[in-house]
Parts: sequence; structure tokens; C-alpha cells
Amino acid sequence: QQQVKQSPQSLIVQKGGISIINCAYENTAFDYFPWYQQFPGKGPALLIAIRPDVSEKKEGRFTISFNKSAKQFSLHIMDSQPGDSATYFCAASTSGSARQLTFGSGTQLTVLP
Amino acid sequence: GAGVSQSPRYKVAKRGQDVALRCDPISGHVSLFWYQQALGQGPEFLTYFQNEAQLDKSGLPSDRFFAERPEGSVSTLKIQRTQQEDSAVYLCASSFGYAGNPFGEQYFGPGTRLTVT
Repeated sequence: QQQVKQSPQSLIVQKGGISIINCAYENTAFDYFPWYQQFPGKGPALLIAIRPDVSEKKEGRFTISFNKSAKQFSLHIMDSQPGDSATYFCAASTSGSARQLTFGSGTQLTVLP
Repeated sequence: GAGVSQSPRYKVAKRGQDVALRCDPISGHVSLFWYQQALGQGPEFLTYFQNEAQLDKSGLPSDRFFAERPEGSVSTLKIQRTQQEDSAVYLCASSFGYAGNPFGEQYFGPGTRLTVT
């Protein structure tokens, strides 16, 4: 059972554009929602994370928007750069990082120069 | 160390062989996780340790999979009688967080790519 659904599967954006990746979850017990960035041959690296008590969190060019009632959250990458080209995974867990992460299926982002 | 390290980085095994994958977590991290990542997919949880105690092994796909962390630091994931469907990248992650203090991110190692022929 896929508890976190992620879309789109792939995304191509021009340099300077906005990249938007969406996720939806089913388990209302989830209380920690991180986004990970993964480059080929590397492990996932935490990009930004949010807890359900806030609706938005911004760090630099990266913003998470969270809609608790709709059980959806999204990642916005502003001013996308070629160096942002990677695979992005949303994830969710209960009780923060001390519990297993349930990952989405990933979005392969390509930023064209 | 500077981060989570895993060895070997690549492993080719013939079907039926046993393999052992090692994870060195960040020093002092209480929690350790193993995930399996199939090609083109997100990581899937296998098992979780808090110090030396294996608190959750619900994600292990069969009894051929076994994990241990005897001294609460280094962990080994063992797969017995490997099958082709075991081919994947096996990721280890560690975190300062634990049940009583569930904060701090999970740091991932680079993974071990297992190919079963």
C-alpha cells in the first residue's frame, strides 16, 4: 500500500523557472514531512522538512507548502538552477526522525540551462 | 566520522550466495535504519535499531534478511541465499533522534548496490 503518492514522475524546467512537486498522504498519524534530494550514486540528503503545525516553511529557494485538511504537501523550488537537477523524494513519518520514513516514488527534475 | 559510511559500495553475488552489508553510522547517533531502494523507486523501510535493540523489523521482506547492531554502533545487514529480486541499493541512515527525543534529521549513507546474478 502506497501511503505517500508523489507527482509528477519527471519534470523539466528552464533555468530560472519554478519547479513544483506534489505529494499526498493517507495516514493521518504522520507528523513529520521531509523532502530529500538524491544525486546519482549518492544517498538521499535532507533538503527541508515541515511539521503539521505550520502551513509553510521557506529555506532559501526552497519552500514547503502544507495543507493538513487535504493531506497534501508540496515543494517549490524558486529560480531553479541546473545544479538542482536531481531526484526529489517526499517522505513522511510519525514521531519525527526517530521513526521510519515512508517515501514517495520520486520526481526526476531536469533544469535546462 | 564525517558522515554515514557503507561498505562495500558495490556487491555482485551469485544467486544462492550469502552477503553481508556494513553500515558505520555517525558517532553518537542513537537511531539506525536500513532501507531498500529498487531502481527508479523511493527507499522502503526494512528495519530500525535504537542503540543495540532492534525495535522494528516489520519491513524485512523474508526470513532470509537479518540485521544486527551488537554494540549500538556499527550495523550489518545480512541476506542469506540471495535471489534476483534482492537486487537493489541498500541504504543505511542514522539519526540523533530516538523515541524520547524524536528530533534531528536522518542522515543517509551512499548505499550498497547489490546485484544478484
